[in-house]
Amino acid sequence: NAGVTQTPKFRVLKTGQSMTLLCAQDMNHEYMYWYRQDPGMGLRLIHYSVGEGTTAKGEVPDGYNVSRLKKQNFLLGLESAAPSQTSVYFCASWREGAKNIQYFGAGTRLSVL
Amino acid sequence: ILNVEQSPQSLHVQEGDSTNFTCSFPSSNFYALHWYRWETAKSPEALFVMTLNGDEKKKGRISATLNTKEGYSYLYIKGSQPEDSATYLCALLTGNQFYFGTGTSLTVIP
Repeated sequence: NAGVTQTPKFRVLKTGQSMTLLCAQDMNHEYMYWYRQDPGMGLRLIHYSVGEGTTAKGEVPDGYNVSRLKKQNFLLGLESAAPSQTSVYFCASWREGAKNIQYFGAGTRLSVL
Repeated sequence: ILNVEQSPQSLHVQEGDSTNFTCSFPSSNFYALHWYRWETAKSPEALFVMTLNGDEKKKGRISATLNTKEGYSYLYIKGSQPEDSATYLCALLTGNQFYFGTGTSLTVIP
């Protein structure tokens, strides 16, 4: 049982380049989330999805797009990367229910030069 | 956006000391409060999920309490060990979103 898998683990981009981060979960969870983690800021929600074909904006959505074409996959896209998007990105999934825990991927470290 | 606050921001303790951290959150629209342990270069792992006012959870030397009426939760570590060194995050679950605090970084000195 792999849980939540993120690819790639590391990436360096030049300003203006585009890329897609992939998150896959094998737990049949309805909810999936993309967070960014910056020093002193904790985890901030970028976008999330409550089910296949749905997406919603979180706290810091600007500069990012997402898609959830299949229930198990949640993609995060950067169309034109900026240095401000240098961060560690975490994907998470959750099955609805107050007592259910959120599972995290291992993270993607992205540097934009 | 809901404001979840954690204190202290960082903590250094000697091995064997007991310690505690605080997570404060707005008490309205409460659904659940999650505690996570986050080691450097790893991903957050859930410690406790707390849903009821007065909840107390325990896992080994780590325990947590919850007061939803006044909007706070305490995490306690008894007899800290070097392997307890990590960042401890709390997250308020309301609706279908999690709102994270900035964490308490614990360093246990051997």
